Amino acid sequence: GAVVSQHPSWVICKSGTSVKIECRSLDFQATTMFWYRQFPKQSLMLMATSNEGSKATYEQGVEKDKFLINHASLTLSTLTVTSAHPEDSSFYICTTVRTSTDTQYFGPGTRLTVL
Amino acid sequence: SQKIEQNSEALNIQEGKTATLTCNYTNYSPAYLQWYRQDPGRGPVFLLLIRENEKEKRKERLKVTFDTTLKQSLFHITASQPADSATYLCALEDTDKLIFGTGTRLQVFP
Repeated sequence: GAVVSQHPSWVICKSGTSVKIECRSLDFQATTMFWYRQFPKQSLMLMATSNEGSKATYEQGVEKDKFLINHASLTLSTLTVTSAHPEDSSFYICTTVRTSTDTQYFGPGTRLTVL
Repeated sequence: SQKIEQNSEALNIQEGKTATLTCNYTNYSPAYLQWYRQDPGRGPVFLLLIRENEKEKRKERLKVTFDTTLKQSLFHITASQPADSATYLCALEDTDKLIFGTGTRLQVFP
């Protein structure tokens, strides 16, 4: 079964609204989760590293005030896209690592479409 | 600059043949490299991990090689099947983060 879940699987919103995406680790506790974004026919680009109980670490070029990350528990990280614009339309994927096996598990992704 | 390159063009092969996909990188020194499968509209699925001190790793019909001198990994699928059709991504470790290549689309036809 799934090890990492995401909700919602897809969302359509109007420009200017905020959208929250949840990522849950179902099988083990995850002190660290990673958020990626993938545009059509492109690679996965790391956006930020979500750390339980502390601030997220953002990659260069990713606006921390636009992409709010909260990792309040060992099994849940949320990504909120604030004031979404059409150029934020993308496939957002979270992932976490089972450290005992060095295996990385990806969520099924969330397709965001901003009109 | 740092780059991870995979064949951007799709690879089309006949069922039963061996598919070989290439991943080349520049200006990275990864402790390990991973291969993933991604189907359209889905998240990547982990296939294999190979560490810098390993030259080859196998899992069923899959084989991965890792040459840190050439800065290259090869991914082989033997006895390929139409169900193997997907995009295959290589990803390498960089300061505890996973950096992905652009992927190669594999199409196996009957």
